[in-house]
Amino acid sequence: AQSVTQLDSQVPVFEEAPVELRCNYSSSVSVYLFWYVQYPNQGLQLLLKYLSGSTLVESINGFEAEFNKSQTSFHLRKPSVHISDTAEYFCAVISDTGRRALTFGSGTRLQVQP
Amino acid sequence: NAGVTQTPKFRVLKTGQSMTLLCAQDMNHEYMYWYRQDPGMGLRLIHYSVGEGTTAKGEVPDGYNVSRLKKQNFLLGLESAAPSQTSVYFCASSYLGLGSYEQYFGPGTRLTVT
Repeated sequence: AQSVTQLDSQVPVFEEAPVELRCNYSSSVSVYLFWYVQYPNQGLQLLLKYLSGSTLVESINGFEAEFNKSQTSFHLRKPSVHISDTAEYFCAVISDTGRRALTFGSGTRLQVQP
Repeated sequence: NAGVTQTPKFRVLKTGQSMTLLCAQDMNHEYMYWYRQDPGMGLRLIHYSVGEGTTAKGEVPDGYNVSRLKKQNFLLGLESAAPSQTSVYFCASSYLGLGSYEQYFGPGTRLTVT
């Protein structure tokens, strides 16, 4: 069994400030890690993923996340946020066995203020 | 290439009524999933399918049934709707191949049961 914990349900931040959204996971098997973003009244879009290789992964819009196996974390960061980054962010894990379905965290609502 | 589509987008039901949600994907994906999203709980897996003619239970299957008669379609049925099934329902699909773990999500169906 696996679980994902997103420690912050809401993160308010001012435009151009840095932000970190925290994600910790628990699993008895190896997992792959994802961040999905959900803009208001829309479906989920993949933001970035860690499958293997470099533990630092980046998205095309300036977000990055670092896989830390010893701390079982996959925190999401952006050095300077924009109003358009306002959305809900979900951390998720998947294992290579069985149903290969995502296990999601409860989500973090990022609110970027001018 | 429409990706993953869901029908309908919105629905209001009375307690005890039945309905079917349709999910269609045009990416020739083997895996398909139904999730429900509730505030503060992230997305939870209802049922999934690893191929045409096969279905299996997820975390929260009670009160729902599914069918996958065609590879491109995955139907979610509510036989007797209850207020606890008020939620946003997302369908997703993914490719079977090794190393391909990304799931593609539909836009969601917002269901209210009164």
